[in-house]
Amino acid sequence: AQTVTQSQPEMSVQEAETVTLSCTYDTSESDYYLFWYKQPPSRQMILVIRQEAYKQQNATENRFSVNFQKAAKSFSLKISDSQLGDAAMYFCAYRSGGNRDDKIIFGKGTRLHILP
Amino acid sequence: AAGVIQSPRHLIKEKRETATLKCYPIPRHDTVYWYQQGPGQDPQFLISFYEKMQSDKGSIPDRFSAQQFSDYHSELNMSSLELGDSALYFCASSVTGDTGELFFGEGSRLTVL
Repeated sequence: AQTVTQSQPEMSVQEAETVTLSCTYDTSESDYYLFWYKQPPSRQMILVIRQEAYKQQNATENRFSVNFQKAAKSFSLKISDSQLGDAAMYFCAYRSGGNRDDKIIFGKGTRLHILP
Repeated sequence: AAGVIQSPRHLIKEKRETATLKCYPIPRHDTVYWYQQGPGQDPQFLISFYEKMQSDKGSIPDRFSAQQFSDYHSELNMSSLELGDSALYFCASSVTGDTGELFFGEGSRLTVL
């Protein structure tokens, strides 16, 4: 079974600084997706960024980028120029790519605090 | 753009009562998922449906059941409610051959007193 591990329960970063959230996963599959979801105090799950395993290029979305290391099964999220609105719980997530209806598996989450 | 719609957004029940949550997926999405998120926890997968058939089952209690209807909306039925069922229940939908993303609704918050 696949697992997702986030080793940092909480992190803090100064506003305008850069922070990296760590995530490792375990799978025997070669075809899969990786995601970072953001959950602000409103509790809605918001997709931040996604990565397809077959793509070597790291995904980027504005201030958000990932460092995808397939061999090491590592998928970290870098947030540049941190803003107060980035404060939230961040979940790393895995989804198999083989079946059409596979579920997403979440890590335990990292709570990110932004210090003004 | 249309999103996943969940109702009700908030629900308060007494122990041993029954609750029903509804989910309306994004139009043309063929798969629906239900997740349960307890306080301070990560979302836990409960059950999913592909083209109205149950496709996968997770840690869903026997007191819970779900189905997907002909119009693709789904309902999660919870009976003999316990205090520990208090949680945020998410519905998500996806479509085959798309980006692999699950689109989440805003969740239904169930409080059991």
